[in-house]
Amino acid sequence: ETGVTQSPTHLIKTRGQQVTLRCSSQSGHNTVSWYQQALGQGPQFIFQYYREEENGRGNFPPRFSGLQFPNYSSELNVNALELDDSALYLCASSGPWAAPTDTQYFGPGTRLTVL
Amino acid sequence: KQEVTQIPAALSVPEGENLVLNCSFTDSAIYNLQWFRQDPGKGLTSLLLIQSSQREQTSGRLNASLDKSSGRSTLYIAASQPGDSATYLCALIYGGATNKLIFGTGTLLAVQP
Repeated sequence: ETGVTQSPTHLIKTRGQQVTLRCSSQSGHNTVSWYQQALGQGPQFIFQYYREEENGRGNFPPRFSGLQFPNYSSELNVNALELDDSALYLCASSGPWAAPTDTQYFGPGTRLTVL
Repeated sequence: KQEVTQIPAALSVPEGENLVLNCSFTDSAIYNLQWFRQDPGKGLTSLLLIQSSQREQTSGRLNASLDKSSGRSTLYIAASQPGDSATYLCALIYGGATNKLIFGTGTLLAVQP
């Protein structure tokens, strides 16, 4: 167990809808990263938050947004869902600093299906 | 641009065999390299993390090596078991202000009893 939890486990939405995915990090981990994993692919970096501020972003459009809260929880929001957004969404926590030498601990993921 | 490649994409071996999974990357300026295991539809379990100054790490039947100059890492699994069946992903942290992981596409391992 990594101590990182995600909710919900599975989610089905239709095109154009909005979705919020949630992650609870390990206590003391001030850095949370979100990744998208399409079927048969490796995870792709979406963005990272450090101490409630965005600390880097991958090649994803602005309709992917996030929030990080002081209680080590965070959210990934996706607006105007598209079919290609269907994927496993993973969050990873590390810390207390956003150091490149930190091990990242992953949650079990949320499987999003867009119809 | 950093690219991470894993070969083979899939591997099937009989129980008890020793095996090697390969990971290659195009830019040697990495901070660390991490090997993960992923069971079907599940999250990632960290197996081993090698800092850029290290050559290898060992945990039980697993040994990971890192050769930055050649852009390669290998994961050696000794005496494979059916419970080792999973997808194995390598990922590295490369430059920049964030510790984002860049992943390979993984090797799907099946260990036959």
